[in-house]
Amino acid sequence: EVSLLESGGGLVQPGGSLRLSCAASGFNFRSYVMTWVRQAPGKGLERVSTISGGGATTFYADSVKGRFTISRDNSKNTLYLQMSSLRVEDTALYYCAKEYVVMGATRRAFDIWGQGTMVTVSS
Amino acid sequence: QSALTQPPSASGSLGQSVTVSCTGTSSDIGAYNYVSWYQQHPGRAPKLMIYEVSERPSGVPDRFSGSKSGNTASLTVSGLQAEDEADYYCSSYAGSNNYVVFGGGTKLTVL
Repeated sequence: EVSLLESGGGLVQPGGSLRLSCAASGFNFRSYVMTWVRQAPGKGLERVSTISGGGATTFYADSVKGRFTISRDNSKNTLYLQMSSLRVEDTALYYCAKEYVVMGATRRAFDIWGQGTMVTVSS
Repeated sequence: QSALTQPPSASGSLGQSVTVSCTGTSSDIGAYNYVSWYQQHPGRAPKLMIYEVSERPSGVPDRFSGSKSGNTASLTVSGLQAEDEADYYCSSYAGSNNYVVFGGGTKLTVL
């Protein structure tokens, strides 16, 4: 079964750091673009960061650029999000999501999502 | 403020149809046929319902359909069922710099 499992969330003070992990199983992890998407309480979805299958190419939302770093370890089938200089507005449920590919072509959509890990930034 | 604009709420009666709109710009929805729609029930992760404007992943009922005209995409749910009550989010590819952008979500109520 294809699945994603996030971990690493928690309560952190403003200015602090946290590293999120996303363990993938059931698919050839290294072949897929992976993305972190967050959802603030009662709010909509926001793409945070995206990384190519090999890890060489990354994208960041302007709101986290320079503070967050996405990475992956394909030998461990794991995606990471290193978050630093955290702000109150970073408080959200963080999902990892797998790119949807059909017949070898990306569909610029996300077909598999984890259940999310909650990050709360508060003093 | 979300990149794509959706109405905050929509409603329809059991068995009826409802359409949810998603308005973007010529840099996202208007430029690419990579519009997706996600369904999210409370406390659950989003679920992909429509991709590439009007395509349905395996397992998604054909009651769900999508379309696009210019900078606006639409999701139509026909034959509304109680389980369709959820939040719906649109997204669009927006080029190599912005990658994918989302709408603010629409809460669909089944009356």
